[in-house]
Amino acid sequence: AQSVTQPDIHITVSEGASLELRCNYSYGATPYLFWYVQSPGQGLQLLLKYFSGDTLVQGIKGFEAEFKRSQSSFNLRKPSVHWSDAAEYFCAVGTTSGTYKYIFGTGTRLKVLA
Amino acid sequence: DAMVIQNPRYQVTQFGKPVTLSCSQTLNHNVMYWYQQKSSQAPKLLFHYYDKDFNNEADTPDNFQSRRPNTSFCFLDIRSPGLGDAAMYLCATSINADEQFFGPGTRLTVL
Repeated sequence: AQSVTQPDIHITVSEGASLELRCNYSYGATPYLFWYVQSPGQGLQLLLKYFSGDTLVQGIKGFEAEFKRSQSSFNLRKPSVHWSDAAEYFCAVGTTSGTYKYIFGTGTRLKVLA
Repeated sequence: DAMVIQNPRYQVTQFGKPVTLSCSQTLNHNVMYWYQQKSSQAPKLLFHYYDKDFNNEADTPDNFQSRRPNTSFCFLDIRSPGLGDAAMYLCATSINADEQFFGPGTRLTVL
């Protein structure tokens, strides 16, 4: 079955610390992978995406993610977290056959300590 | 700027009173999606249009309907809202399997 797992429901880091949010997926074909961020009461904003090519993807706001096929993972990283990064983060797999839609992970809520 | 617009941002309705949420896009994308998102949960896909073709999710209640009169506009109709339908409703668009662009959402309250 197709699925996306974000093992960490909540993560708390201090401002300036590094961050890694985990995402594991199960999908039969080569996946299209996405990370989105959502601030309270807002829509989702794309941070980065992976379709093919270089497995290390750079995104907006200083985020990057690495696709590891052998581990079925697409973890999101940031070397130094800012207080404004506090938000909900969603990993998603985009289906590429049949209809086009996302399989979302359950999300990780990030809290940043000053 | 090209964008996805949702109106209204906040909607209050009464139990059982029909309500319509609207979404428009200036991106000229061929796919439009409606999601329901409840607090601290991931967005849940209700249905989507691939061009004019309507695709309903198997677990979307019959109470939810949608219309897409043209490329730019898509509507979500809730025929008889229940208390359990209170949620954020998100509209998104894409070009085929590429990234989805999300609107700011409509927060629906059911009294």
